[in-house]
Order: sequence, then C-alpha cells, then structure tokens
Amino acid sequence: AQTVTQSQPEMSVQEAETVTLSCTYDTSENNYYLFWYKQPPSRQMILVIRQEAYKQQNATENRFSVNFQKAAKSFSLKISDSQLGDTAMYFCAFMKHNNNDMRFGAGTRLTVKP
Amino acid sequence: DGGITQSPKYLFRKEGQNVTLSCEQNLNHDAMYWYRQDPGQGLRLIYYSQIVNDFQKGDIAEGYSVSREKKESFPLTVTSAQKNPTAFYLCASSISWLGAGGAPEAFFGQGTRLTVV
Repeated sequence: AQTVTQSQPEMSVQEAETVTLSCTYDTSENNYYLFWYKQPPSRQMILVIRQEAYKQQNATENRFSVNFQKAAKSFSLKISDSQLGDTAMYFCAFMKHNNNDMRFGAGTRLTVKP
Repeated sequence: DGGITQSPKYLFRKEGQNVTLSCEQNLNHDAMYWYRQDPGQGLRLIYYSQIVNDFQKGDIAEGYSVSREKKESFPLTVTSAQKNPTAFYLCASSISWLGAGGAPEAFFGQGTRLTVV
C-alpha cells in the first residue's frame, strides 16, 4: 500500500502571513492523484486542492497552491494571506490513477493567530 | 440536495456487541469508503468499494465488515472482534476512477462518533 507522511503534527501562522505544509509519499506508480483536504473544528472534510501526477504545472486554487516535486515524491501546500478560517486539520491524500484506493497522512493541525 | 449522510452522529456500544454504522449517498457515486480517525493517526482506511457487490480491505479491516448491495448504501459493522472500537468514523464517496478524467474529489459525511461503554 502507498504511504503518506506528514511530518509536521502542528503548525501556527500569523493572520495574513504565508505558511507551507509538507507532505511526502511513497509509491512505485507513475500515474496517480494527490489531494489536500481540510477538516475544520466541525469535522466536515473539505477538498482544498488536487493534482494529477502527469501534470507538471502546480495546481492553484485562490490562496492555496501546491509545490509538486514528482522525483522527490513531495507535495507541499502553501497557504497565502492566511485567514482565521483556515484554522483546521489538513490532510494530504494519495490515490492511484487506476483504482479508487485513497490513503491519507496523519494530518497537520494548523492554527492561524490574530 | 445531493450529499452523503451518516447516521447516527453518536453511537454507544456495550462490549461484546456488534453495531452497524449507516452511510447513504445520493450523488450517484460508484466508489465509497470507510475511514477511522483517531487522534494523531489521521484517517486510516477500513474498507472501500468501487462498485456494487465489490469491496476491498484497507489497512485496518480486522474486526469490521461491510456490504455493498446498493449503489447508494455502504454500511459498516463493527464486530465484537474489534478490540478498540472507540473512534470517529468517516464515510466518503467519489466517482469511479474509470470515469473521472482527472483527480476524483471525495465527498464526506459528517461522521459517527462510536464509544464503547
């Protein structure tokens, strides 16, 4: 099975600043999908951003962007202009392209401070 | 409104009892998932199903069972063989990788908190 590692259990950032969350994964596959999900205190999981491994261009969604380094098997999430509503658990996830098997990392708890 | 519904929100089980968690979706998704969430361990995959009448074990399937008789439903039974069932359980669904044409977003229910008493 693929493994997903998030090495930062907790992080904090000042409001309006930028923060980067790390994610690495282990796979022998060449094609796959990567995701970042957010889980606020309500515990409702929400998709933040996704990336197809065959695309070299890094995905962006408004204030959220990724740095996808395929050779290094790294998929970090950058949050710009952090807002108080960004306070949440953030999970990195991996899915093979030919199977719906989806695995998650242990998560990073992000706190945005006013 | 389309969505995925888990019930109940809170569930209490006596030791030695089986209990079933419900998960229903009206998104017409082929794939459905069950995850267990414990503090510091993220989401761990229990079972997933890519199509009706098919399901695959995840990393922690022991002590759990599932069925997928209908596309809309993917119930999870926590059996007495599961030694430490107290946890938060999340169900999710997504379109099949076959028709995705890209990274398929998973939609999650609001979870069931199971406590053994």
